[in-house]
Amino acid sequence: DVKVTQSSRYLVKRTGEKVFLECVQDMDHENMFWYRQDPGLGLRLIYFSYDVKMKEKGDIPEGYSVSREKKERFSLILESASTNQTSMYLCAIRGTTDTQYFGPGTRLTVL
Amino acid sequence: GENVEQHPSTLSVQEGDSAVIKCTYSDSASNYFPWYKQELGKRPQLIIDIRSNVGEKKDQRIAVTLNKTAKHFSLHITETQPEDSAVYFCAASTPLLGDMRFGAGTRLTVKP
Repeated sequence: DVKVTQSSRYLVKRTGEKVFLECVQDMDHENMFWYRQDPGLGLRLIYFSYDVKMKEKGDIPEGYSVSREKKERFSLILESASTNQTSMYLCAIRGTTDTQYFGPGTRLTVL
Repeated sequence: GENVEQHPSTLSVQEGDSAVIKCTYSDSASNYFPWYKQELGKRPQLIIDIRSNVGEKKDQRIAVTLNKTAKHFSLHITETQPEDSAVYFCAASTPLLGDMRFGAGTRLTVKP
């Protein structure tokens, strides 16, 4: 079974704070992804990584950055959180058959 | 880049009826088309997928069809049950980096 974990289920931050969301996988998968999920908008791709230290922008990278120093860990960083970044954040990994497996999600509220 | 559109956004059916959700995609290089089901408060879970070299795939009450020429694919659920109530997402991905684009989702309600 593929296991994807995220550091927090719920997070409340203040505007302007730096926020770190972490995603950890227990297998040796190369591709990892960060999405945000908002009602009526589906899942939108923020950033993804296909190897250590490699990253690619998705469709909505503005206001976010990522870090992948080790294969099993992929971090999403909000340099200066804003209220419009209040959302559900989902991490995913690409399995051997192209299927993506999701973590449980982090519901971030920025006040 | 790839753009996936999904319709309808909400769908309400009576238990036992069929439900159909339709998606279109824009990138002819896309070759993998999964469908995810997301129950309230849970993560999306794969329910069925299809690749571009296949026109139809069935798994018990669920089937997916793909028309590569028209760039659209559909999810069919027969004999719906209340536990089928959830949000369903279609997606499309390209072979190179595996980045996936999702539709906006369909909220399916099955009334007993």
